[in-house]
Amino acid sequence: DSGVTQTPKHLITATGQRVTLRCSPRSGDLSVYWYQQSLDQGLQFLIQYYNGEERAKGNILERFSAQQFPDLHSELNLSSLELGDSALYFCASSVGTSGTYTQYFGPGTRLTVL
Amino acid sequence: QKEVEQDPGPLSVPEGAIVSLNCTYSNSAFQYFMWYRQYSRKGPELLMYTYSSGNKEDGRFTAQVDKSSKYISLFIRDSQPSDSATYLCAMSASGGSYIPTFGRGTSLIVHP
Repeated sequence: DSGVTQTPKHLITATGQRVTLRCSPRSGDLSVYWYQQSLDQGLQFLIQYYNGEERAKGNILERFSAQQFPDLHSELNLSSLELGDSALYFCASSVGTSGTYTQYFGPGTRLTVL
Repeated sequence: QKEVEQDPGPLSVPEGAIVSLNCTYSNSAFQYFMWYRQYSRKGPELLMYTYSSGNKEDGRFTAQVDKSSKYISLFIRDSQPSDSATYLCAMSASGGSYIPTFGRGTSLIVHP
């Protein structure tokens, strides 16, 4: 158990809908990272927050947004969902701002868009 | 060409075999090299990391980095069925947020 929690575990929804994925980092970790994992693209970095502020941005679509709250939990919002958004979404956390070898991953949320 | 290339496998070996997993990369700025293990329906967990070139050993696992060839390897000795998982290589450059770039992962099956 990495100490990172994600809810829900599974999400099934329809095209055009909006969903929110939630992540609680390990105790003491200030950085939260969001990743998307699909069979054809592998693990793709979406966005990083550090202590409430956006720190780094990856291949995140405009339909997706995230935020980190004062209690350090984070939410990833996915809107106008398309079939291609079906994937595993992972959250990871680390103590500092460096995302190298210090990240701990949560168990993921499996999103299915029908 | 992707920045990090990794054969997806699957790689099937008998228990006790030595396993070699590899990645190639194109970005010469990469300085940090990691290997993650991901069991089915779980998140990746860090196995090993190496800074710059050289070897690093941890129990049955050895990580090698050859920066001149832009090639990294993970060796697993005396493989066990419990090693069956997907292994992802990852690497990052110095500076900025050091966000790693991941390979697509190699599926390893160790059969008894």
